[in-house]
Formats: sequence, structure tokens, C-alpha cells
Amino acid sequence: EADIYQTPRYLVIGTGKKITLECSQTMGHDKMYWYQQDPGMELHLIHYSYGVNSTEKGDLSSESTVSRIRTEHFPLTLESARPSHTSQYLCASAPDPVYEQYFGPGTRLTVT
Amino acid sequence: AQSVTQLDSQVPVFEEAPVELRCNYSSSVSVYLFWYVQYPNQGLQLLLKYLSGSTLVKGINGFEAEFNKSQTSFHLRKPSVHISDTAEYFCAVSEIQGAQKLVFGQGTRLTINP
Repeated sequence: EADIYQTPRYLVIGTGKKITLECSQTMGHDKMYWYQQDPGMELHLIHYSYGVNSTEKGDLSSESTVSRIRTEHFPLTLESARPSHTSQYLCASAPDPVYEQYFGPGTRLTVT
Repeated sequence: AQSVTQLDSQVPVFEEAPVELRCNYSSSVSVYLFWYVQYPNQGLQLLLKYLSGSTLVKGINGFEAEFNKSQTSFHLRKPSVHISDTAEYFCAVSEIQGAQKLVFGQGTRLTINP
């Protein structure tokens, strides 16, 4: 059983607020990923990390930022939330080499 | 770059009937192939994966998939479905090397009717 956690699970917030979505894993995985899942289900990679102090942008442009100061922690921040940011955000981690990614339960964000 | 096409957005099936969810992919490099399942309000759970070797892959919950390189397909099958199989199913590919990012298909909603 993979141990990857996301908090909060649900968040409703007003436009213009700064928010941080937390993602933590206890497996010591080097690689971590953030995916955005549209209401219509499709998932897109928005950020990934090879390891500590490594962050890269994904295939889908996002106004969010990430940091990787510790192996186990990969938070995602939105400086100023907007209704277009309403989505589900899924965090994943994987050992190197990657034969499987392990997903957290997701954070469902609604910006009003 | 890779792309994945799931040919059916919704598949309704009666309980105990067989089901096939179709997935085609496109890639200029060798890839790994995956099927994930997502139950309501949950993250993704791996059903099965193809890395190499036998083209018929067996996964959890009685699912299996067959890799067909010539047709660039990786269809998911189950001979007899149960109500509990109602969920969203995602086909995905990743590069064998590098960042190994997952590229997902659009998803297929499997609905099992009693």
C-alpha cells in the first residue's frame, strides 16, 4: 500500500486568496508529480520534480508554483486564486526508475 | 511526444457481462503502458501495467489487457463485471527514460447496470 497524502481534501475559497495544497509521501521516492484533473475527467501534468531542489513545468501551463525542499514534501501554491483554477489536483510519487506512479487521494478546489 | 486516445467516453454494461475498454496510443519512442481506475472522490489506483515481455498482462480485480504493438493498442478486458467495477478508467503511457511523465487518455466511464 502506497503512503501518499494530500491535504486538504476539499477547499472552497474566494477569488484572490493565496492557497497551498500539501502533498507528502513516506516512501522515500525521488520523483514527484502534480496533475490537474478537469471536471470532464482528463488529467494533465502541471509540475514534476526529479528530487530535492528540482522542479520542472509540465505539459499543461499553470499559474501555480511548486517547491521541493525535502524529499517527502511537494507543495503546490497559487498566489492568487481565480475561478479558472477550480479543478481537482492529484499528487503522485514514484521511485527511480519509474515502473509505476502512486497517487494521493486528490484535493478538490473550488474558487468562487 | 506521446498521445493516448480512449475510444469510448462512456460504456454501459449489464452485470456479469464481459467488457472491453479501448485504448490507442501514439509515440515516437518506446513506452510503458498503464491502466488506472478512479472511484468517486478518490485518487488513481493502478490496475495493471505493461513494461516488457508477454503482451497479455493480468491485473487486479480480474482485469487483463493486451499490448498490440502493430496496432498501437492496449485494450482492457474483463470477462464478467460486477457492480463494484463502476468507475472511471484511464489509459496512460510514459517514456521509458527521462522524467517518465504519464500522458493520460480522456477516460472511460464504466457503468454497470443490474
